[in-house]
Amino acid sequence: DIVMTQSPDSLAVSLGERASINCRSSQSILSSSNSQNYLAWYQQKARQPPKLLIYWASTRESGVPDRFSGSGSGTDFTLTISSLQAEDVAVYYCQQYFTTPTFGQGTKLEIK
Amino acid sequence: QVLLQESGPGLVKPSETLSLTCSVSDGSLSSYFWSWIRQPPGKGLEWIGYISSSGNTRYNPSLKSRVTISVDTSKNQFSLNLNSVTAADTAVYFCARVVGFQLLLWDLWGQGTLVTVSS
Repeated sequence: DIVMTQSPDSLAVSLGERASINCRSSQSILSSSNSQNYLAWYQQKARQPPKLLIYWASTRESGVPDRFSGSGSGTDFTLTISSLQAEDVAVYYCQQYFTTPTFGQGTKLEIK
Repeated sequence: QVLLQESGPGLVKPSETLSLTCSVSDGSLSSYFWSWIRQPPGKGLEWIGYISSSGNTRYNPSLKSRVTISVDTSKNQFSLNLNSVTAADTAVYFCARVVGFQLLLWDLWGQGTLVTVSS
């Protein structure tokens, strides 16, 4: 299985400031056939199911605010929230879908 | 707005079979693939498997020997059976819709149902 490791485990950011969450895969999830990175990001608020934010490492799902962006390639990826809003408090998970899906352990984002 | 709703027993005894059903609120069952994903309390997510409306399945190898996912298009439902359960199977179980272009991504989720394995 591909192991996904997120950092940090928790993060506190002031409202309006930038938040960045990192995700590393134990092997490359960049496909040589289509040049796509098989990496998604989900947001899970308290007592709710996960919500798909980003796929192909940097494509925002329909309806996701443009303050959310994804970057990276190969084994190292980042989710960035450009200006933190109160409603962004959640746990964020990265997920690879290159092979049998696996998730990172989650990063808890709070307001400082 | 399509809704997914999980249902089934909240308590299962060790060594028995966990059985859950997901109801799809509209007639879209035939147009998508569907998945089960679980989350142990306070922990991360684990994909269990998916099924097409015609019954084609793929399972997580780590659970494959114990899992069966089935579909009933006449009832707009799909189901999960997990046999020989242990305490390690205690989790919130989510049903989810697979996105149209990639079989291992999910764009719509049920609220989830907690299943506890205990005698």
